[in-house]
Amino acid sequence: ETGVTQTPRHLVMGMTNKKSLKCEQHLGHNAMYWYKQSAKKPLELMFVYNFKEQTENNSVPSRFSPECPNSSHLFLHLHTLQPEDSALYLCASSQLSVASANTGELFFGEGSRLTVL
Amino acid sequence: TQLLEQSPQFLSIQEGENLTVYCNSSSVFSSLQWYRQEPGEGPVLLVTVVTGGEVKKLKRLTFQFGDARKDSSLHITAAQPGDTGLYLCAGAGSNDYKLSFGAGTTVTVRA
Repeated sequence: ETGVTQTPRHLVMGMTNKKSLKCEQHLGHNAMYWYKQSAKKPLELMFVYNFKEQTENNSVPSRFSPECPNSSHLFLHLHTLQPEDSALYLCASSQLSVASANTGELFFGEGSRLTVL
Repeated sequence: TQLLEQSPQFLSIQEGENLTVYCNSSSVFSSLQWYRQEPGEGPVLLVTVVTGGEVKKLKRLTFQFGDARKDSSLHITAAQPGDTGLYLCAGAGSNDYKLSFGAGTTVTVRA
């Protein structure tokens, strides 16, 4: 198994649909992240889960709903999205140091390419 | 959010040429990371620099952290087509697990 696995790799949905993105990490890390990557823009941090607890919600619209049932799995539930939400959604994991609180290395999945029609 | 500006936005060079990519900010970072992202893949960490003035070498790649820890550069010597990709810099503040990313530099190395 590769380190961080995301499914599906590609998703096309209408604005009224409900879908979910899934992420699984096999690295034993204690933190997981959702990032949004749009063309010519910096990666935008959406959510952070540290030891399964959500520690960051970066002003993300409520049409994006994260779920972290355990330290290895992370979901992003999508509903009533807008065309401007079309982007590459990247999941990442890292091992947070309790002592330093630094992120350390982020291990990314291959991303889920989302298109909202 | 601490802003990181990367330049140039796009760079296209011939195989064997050298290139430099810059990452600048008005903020001080406790550490700075460089990632490379190939088409259809997620970013992969290349290096982390933590000390002002630090220089790290990774084969043909040379990374430098500015003395004031506000900027960084990536220099590639004798570029190869395999160096093609999106290069991202990301900075971390003190006691802050949130990384701020630049928009990236798209590098294309032509054979």
